[in-house]
Amino acid sequence: TQLLEQSPQFLSIQEGENLTVYCNSSSVFSSLQWYRQEPGEGPVLLVTVVTGGEVKKLKRLTFQFGDARKDSSLHITAAQPGDTGLYLCAGSNDYKLSFGAGTTVTVRA
Amino acid sequence: NAGVMQNPRHLVRRRGQEARLRCSPMKGHSHVYWYRQLPEEGLKFMVYLQKENIIDESGMPKERFSAEFPKEGPSILRIQQVVRGDSAAYFCASSPLGAGSETQYFGPGTRLLVL
Repeated sequence: TQLLEQSPQFLSIQEGENLTVYCNSSSVFSSLQWYRQEPGEGPVLLVTVVTGGEVKKLKRLTFQFGDARKDSSLHITAAQPGDTGLYLCAGSNDYKLSFGAGTTVTVRA
Repeated sequence: NAGVMQNPRHLVRRRGQEARLRCSPMKGHSHVYWYRQLPEEGLKFMVYLQKENIIDESGMPKERFSAEFPKEGPSILRIQQVVRGDSAAYFCASSPLGAGSETQYFGPGTRLLVL
């Protein structure tokens, strides 16, 4: 079993602040995905990173895949209440996604 | 372009009954994956299916659970003689490529509650 650990488990910040969520593993992955899940809904794909050292930007969100393809981070700039949700990272070496337990982010207005 | 569809969204069963969960993949996708999310835990892989074939069921309990993806119609996850520990959110995902594809799109899930 390939384990992914996410930190912190919970994060509560004020609107306009920045935040970073981390995803770490002792296993190497060929790709890593970040999802956001809202209560009562399924995970919604945010990004897929496949190359070690890769950085992808999606508006105010910046995703980085570690050089060794074992870890990743998600950075949100100037967070907004709409960014509130459960952020999940998932590593893959074939078709099987291994998920972290998630980081619950709350952005207060 | 409709996404992955699952029904029912909520299902309540008494211990010993059968639960049948349905998943229609995105249009053009022929690969389906089922995951289970227990309270306070991450999503866990259960089974990977292509049309009429089970490719990998290593994450599915050996007893009471079965899955199919017929030539026509949705994929079905069936749980027989449900127990309280089966209460969870069950998610279906689909992809266009299958093995080696890193992108899976998830449905809204079925929340199963066993009384």
